Amino acid sequence: AQTVTQSQPEMSVQEAETVTLSCTYDTSESNYYLFWYKQPPSRQMILVIRQEAYKQQNATENRFSVNFQKAAKSFSLKISDSQLGDTAMYFCAFIHNNAGNMLTFGGGTRLMVKP
Amino acid sequence: DSGVTQTPKHLITATGQRVTLRCSPRSGDLSVYWYQQSLDQGLQFLIQYYNGEERAKGNILERFSAQQFPDLHSELNLSSLELGDSALYFCASSSRGDQPQHFGDGTRLSIL
Repeated sequence: AQTVTQSQPEMSVQEAETVTLSCTYDTSESNYYLFWYKQPPSRQMILVIRQEAYKQQNATENRFSVNFQKAAKSFSLKISDSQLGDTAMYFCAFIHNNAGNMLTFGGGTRLMVKP
Repeated sequence: DSGVTQTPKHLITATGQRVTLRCSPRSGDLSVYWYQQSLDQGLQFLIQYYNGEERAKGNILERFSAQQFPDLHSELNLSSLELGDSALYFCASSSRGDQPQHFGDGTRLSIL
């Protein structure tokens, strides 16, 4: 079974600074995808970034980037120039290309951006 | 706006009752997924449908069932409701299994 672990239940960062959220996963599959989703206080689930396991290049979306270490099964999210609107729960999620394609989520990291 | 529509946004009912949650996927998406988010269990996959057929099942209780209709909208039926069923229920859709899933705003179910 696949598992996703987020070891930081809560984090805080000053506005305009950089913060890194950790995620590790466990799988025996070789073909899979990793995601970070953001859940603000409005409770919506918003896709932040996606990484294909077969790509060595780390994905980047504006101020959001990942550090994907396949051998270590690590997938951290770096948020640069943090903004107040980044305050949210962040979930790391895993999917592998089997018949189901369901997302397996980590427990989440609550990020507070302070002014 | 993700393009995935869930109704109703809020539902309050009593133990033992039955409710139906509805989801319309993004235009063109054939896969629909249902997830449950509760305080004690976190985000859990319940069930997936692809083009009208059940594709995968997760930790879905026997009291729960779902279906996907020819117009691709999906319904999640929850029966004999218990206090522990109180949660936020999300629907998500995708065009293919390796594509990102886009989530609706969820239905918040409160059991009194």
